Amino acid sequence: EPEVTQTPSHQVTQMGQEVILRCVPISNHLYFYWYRQILGQKVEFLVSFYNNEISEKSEIFDDQFSVERPDGSNFTLKIRSTKLEDSAMYFCASFVSGGFGETQYFGPGTRLLVL
Amino acid sequence: AQSVAQPEDQVNVAEGNPLTVKCTYSVSGNPYLFWYVQYPNRGLQFLLKYITGDNLVKGSYGFEAEFNKSQTSFHLKKPSALVSDSALYFCAKRENAGNMLTFGGGTRLMVKP
Repeated sequence: EPEVTQTPSHQVTQMGQEVILRCVPISNHLYFYWYRQILGQKVEFLVSFYNNEISEKSEIFDDQFSVERPDGSNFTLKIRSTKLEDSAMYFCASFVSGGFGETQYFGPGTRLLVL
Repeated sequence: AQSVAQPEDQVNVAEGNPLTVKCTYSVSGNPYLFWYVQYPNRGLQFLLKYITGDNLVKGSYGFEAEFNKSQTSFHLKKPSALVSDSALYFCAKRENAGNMLTFGGGTRLMVKP
């Protein structure tokens, strides 16, 4: 069964460093998402991406964050200058065609720790 | 007001007993409701969803959920719990106007032998 994959599974970085989190969505999916989950808290929406542009973003997704789909398969989240509060589990998700009733499929997550 | 609420941080149940994990949502248009499960160090796995039609929805691993419009609830149920059901369960909603999911705070289910 096709899956959303994410790399790396864990990343430790120093405050102020740039990180890039990678996701490979399911191959025929057209809508892509990033969510994050700070330890012990709820899963929060960051950004959605369709047709090579951002379609929605939350207030969390400020100028320090960016997304791109550089090669038609990978979907990346970049944090330009990490802060301590960026420490969280980051989930990528995708679905086929954006219908409201469709299921979003999630990757296993990348646990980011900013020191 | 919270868009999706899971009033219990943790639910404890004995193996073989029925389980219920509660979820309520704030009304805004026609909600599309989902349940996901998260096992330790794993991602979110889809369990089931309500879009329209029959209020009782059946999903993976023997789980089901009942959509109750008057009570704005979508409680997750299973007739007989297994120890392996122990995990973190998230209720989520998708609004008419957007495609992102809004999650509840999660409920940890502990099933004891």
